[in-house]
Amino acid sequence: NAGVTQTPKFRVLKTGQSMTLLCAQDMNHEYMYWYRQDPGMGLRLIHYSVGEGTTAKGEVPDGYNVSRLKKQNFLLGLESAAPSQTSVYFCASGQGVFHWNEQYFGPGTRLTVT
Amino acid sequence: AQSVTQLDSQVPVFEEAPVELRCNYSSSVSVYLFWYVQYPNQGLQLLLKYLSGSTLVKGINGFEAEFNKSQTSFHLRKPSVHISDTAEYFCAVSAPGTDKLIFGTGTRLQVFP
Repeated sequence: NAGVTQTPKFRVLKTGQSMTLLCAQDMNHEYMYWYRQDPGMGLRLIHYSVGEGTTAKGEVPDGYNVSRLKKQNFLLGLESAAPSQTSVYFCASGQGVFHWNEQYFGPGTRLTVT
Repeated sequence: AQSVTQLDSQVPVFEEAPVELRCNYSSSVSVYLFWYVQYPNQGLQLLLKYLSGSTLVKGINGFEAEFNKSQTSFHLRKPSVHISDTAEYFCAVSAPGTDKLIFGTGTRLQVFP
């Protein structure tokens, strides 16, 4: 099993450009999450999904959109990138409330917006 | 609502010394508690978790944590650290019926030779 994978690993964007980050999991998990990690701020939840076709806002959703068209994939989109979105992005998956919210993380995507 | 406080942002320690990373939580209901480790340039991986039962929980790589309900703490300990334990450690909490993990801001453990 590959677990949780993220594509791409690195990306540099110019302000105003758009991009999509892809997260895939092969553990048949119901729940998927997108976090951003910034120095001194820990992990902050952007959006999450409790099942195929559902999404919900987390702590810092502004400037991001998500879609969960297939159970195994969770996409994070930036429509118009800003320098404040420079960060490391982590995807995670788990069985949510059915399994104590324990989560499994991908390796991360390092995004720089210039 | 739940919250987590990791009191130390950085903990420097010499190799083979003991270490304790502190975590306190706030919740009006019973909780599940986790410690995750993040090695440089990697994602987070689970070290250990407390769900119920014995308050002393053993995890991978020789780490253990003790749940203390009266002090609302879940401190992580290791009796003798190695250089390879250099990493960031995150404490996290969730509660039955909720659908999110709440993370602390992390503690960077730096082990020196």
